[in-house]
Amino acid sequence: SAVISQKPSRDICQRGTSLTIQCQVDSQVTMMFWYRQQPGQSLTLIATANQGSEATYESGFVIDKFPISRPNLTFSTLTVSNMSPEDSSIYLCSVEDFDRAFFGQGTRLTVV
Amino acid sequence: AQTVTQSQPEMSVQEAETVTLSCTYDTSESDYYLFWYKQPPSRQMILVIRQEAYKQQNATENRFSVNFQKAAKSFSLKISDSQLGDAAMYFCAYRNLNTGFQKLVFGTGTRLLVSP
Repeated sequence: SAVISQKPSRDICQRGTSLTIQCQVDSQVTMMFWYRQQPGQSLTLIATANQGSEATYESGFVIDKFPISRPNLTFSTLTVSNMSPEDSSIYLCSVEDFDRAFFGQGTRLTVV
Repeated sequence: AQTVTQSQPEMSVQEAETVTLSCTYDTSESDYYLFWYKQPPSRQMILVIRQEAYKQQNATENRFSVNFQKAAKSFSLKISDSQLGDAAMYFCAYRNLNTGFQKLVFGTGTRLLVSP
């Protein structure tokens, strides 16, 4: 199994600012995933981050709003840019090990 | 597109009792995985149980078992001898096994309340 450290665990941000969320895995993985979980909702995949290439974004998510870095096989960042209250959500990092997914503890973001 | 439906927003159970959470899915694929994930207040998603579609035998993990009905596209989770620590959101999820990356598709979740 993979151990994922995600930080910050929570933050309160002013609208119009940006927040970068970090995700560290204790082993090398090819693909890392970023999810958004809006209040009371299910998880929605934002993008898939591969090391050495551009992230692949799901429909409804764009790189300008959610830039992602993947500098090596154990680390990734997600930035939530120019935030508005609608961005208030839990953001989760995930990796996959053969046939199951492992998740970080999530970042609870509140935009005021 | 595949979809996953959890029709029970909230369920309640008393300690030591048994509860069943429902999940249905829609797919035209024949090879896929189904999962139940638990999300306690700590927010961390924890894998509870996994079922491969090609296996007829229902998966079991200690107090957790599933009733997988492939023809009916139904995948319910049974929790036996419920404990206070079982209180959480439970998400059903699907992934097909076509070549290349196939993302997880989650249901909307069921909140499980456990009372003493």
